[in-house]
Amino acid sequence: SAVISQKPSRDICQRGTSLTIQCQVDSQVTMMFWYRQQPGQSLTLIATANQGSEATYESGFVIDKFPISRPNLTFSTLTVSNMSPEDSSIYLCSVYRVLQFFGPGTRLTVL
Amino acid sequence: AQSVTQLGSHVSVSEGALVLLRCNYSSSVPPYLFWYVQYPNQGLQLLLKYTSAATLVKGINGFEAEFKKSETSFHLTKPSAHMSDAAEYFCAVTTNFGNEKLTFGTGTRLTIIP
Repeated sequence: SAVISQKPSRDICQRGTSLTIQCQVDSQVTMMFWYRQQPGQSLTLIATANQGSEATYESGFVIDKFPISRPNLTFSTLTVSNMSPEDSSIYLCSVYRVLQFFGPGTRLTVL
Repeated sequence: AQSVTQLGSHVSVSEGALVLLRCNYSSSVPPYLFWYVQYPNQGLQLLLKYTSAATLVKGINGFEAEFKKSETSFHLTKPSAHMSDAAEYFCAVTTNFGNEKLTFGTGTRLTIIP
């Protein structure tokens, strides 16, 4: 298994600002992922965060809007840039260790 | 490409009754299938997985699911519902075990009636 923490757990932000979400895992993992769960919807993969290389983004997501860092094998950040109300979602990080394990999520509200 | 369809965005059952949550998949290659549960204000927790071994898979909290290739289904069941089972349930698929990319269904919210 994996123990994953995220900060912040929730935030309320103003339109046009940016928020950086942190994800910390209890031991080293090769692959970390970021998902978005919009209100009442399922999870959508934003990107794969690989240590030592640029993140790989899924269709519909771009680096300028969702820059990701992966400085080491236990930590990653996702920034939601120039936010709009449509960015109000739960953002979850996950790690792959034989199976995929999820963090508790960051609940973001953009006013 | 793979996909999953969960029939019924909301399901209500009485406490002690059978729980049946439906999931159908679409995949051009043999799939690997998962059920996750999300309790209010929490992340996702893996309930069970199908990885081409036994077609009847037992998971945590008394849940099980049966892989039926002929029906392209992977329905989740529990014989007797508990109040603590109230949550959102997600079916997910990947075509590459050892692959990270999961495709999720839209979820089913399970309500337990006392």
